[in-house]
Amino acid sequence: AQSVTQLGSHVSVSEGALVLLRCNYSSSVPPYLFWYVQYPNQGLQLLLKYTSAATLVKGINGFEAEFKKSETSFHLTKPSAHMSDAAEYFCAVSEGLTGGGNKLTFGTGTQLKVEL
Amino acid sequence: DTGVSQNPRHKITKRGQNVTFRCDPISEHNRLYWYRQTLGQGPEFLTYFQNEAQLEKSRLLSDRFSAERPKGSFSTLEIQRTEQGDSAMYLCASLRSGGLSYEQYFGPGTRLTVT
Repeated sequence: AQSVTQLGSHVSVSEGALVLLRCNYSSSVPPYLFWYVQYPNQGLQLLLKYTSAATLVKGINGFEAEFKKSETSFHLTKPSAHMSDAAEYFCAVSEGLTGGGNKLTFGTGTQLKVEL
Repeated sequence: DTGVSQNPRHKITKRGQNVTFRCDPISEHNRLYWYRQTLGQGPEFLTYFQNEAQLEKSRLLSDRFSAERPKGSFSTLEIQRTEQGDSAMYLCASLRSGGLSYEQYFGPGTRLTVT
């Protein structure tokens, strides 16, 4: 069984400040990990993914995340927040090469607010 | 390629009525997934297809729910005798298995409100 924990359901940062959204996972098999962003009344858009290659993953819009197996973490960061980053962010895990149909298990999400 | 599309975008129905949602995946994607997202929660897996075969169903998918993908292209999700607890966003996603991407592409969702 897999699970994802996102610490902090709401995060508020100032424009230009560092964004840090936390994600910890639990998986009995080597995982694949994903960060998705969701704007109001829209579907999910992939920001970045870890699929057992480089542990530091760069995504779209200046986001990056680092896979740390020892800490079972996959935190999302961005050096400088923009107003357009305000959205809900979801961390998700799948079973990787062992299969499981690639279905995703999501965390409960973190709502990011960016203030002037 | 216009991405994953879902229809309708919004559906309001009365308790006890049946509803059906449609998902059109990206054309070359052989896997299709359904998820349900309630307010303040992350999406939860319901079921998935590889081509026309339904390979897995979540325990969340009660007997009132049925999904089909008859020709391995579009899919429908039907909810019979809707209940207020069925109110949620229903998301569809597709993926091309065997590739290196492992990325699921999501549609915009169908928001169901049961009154």
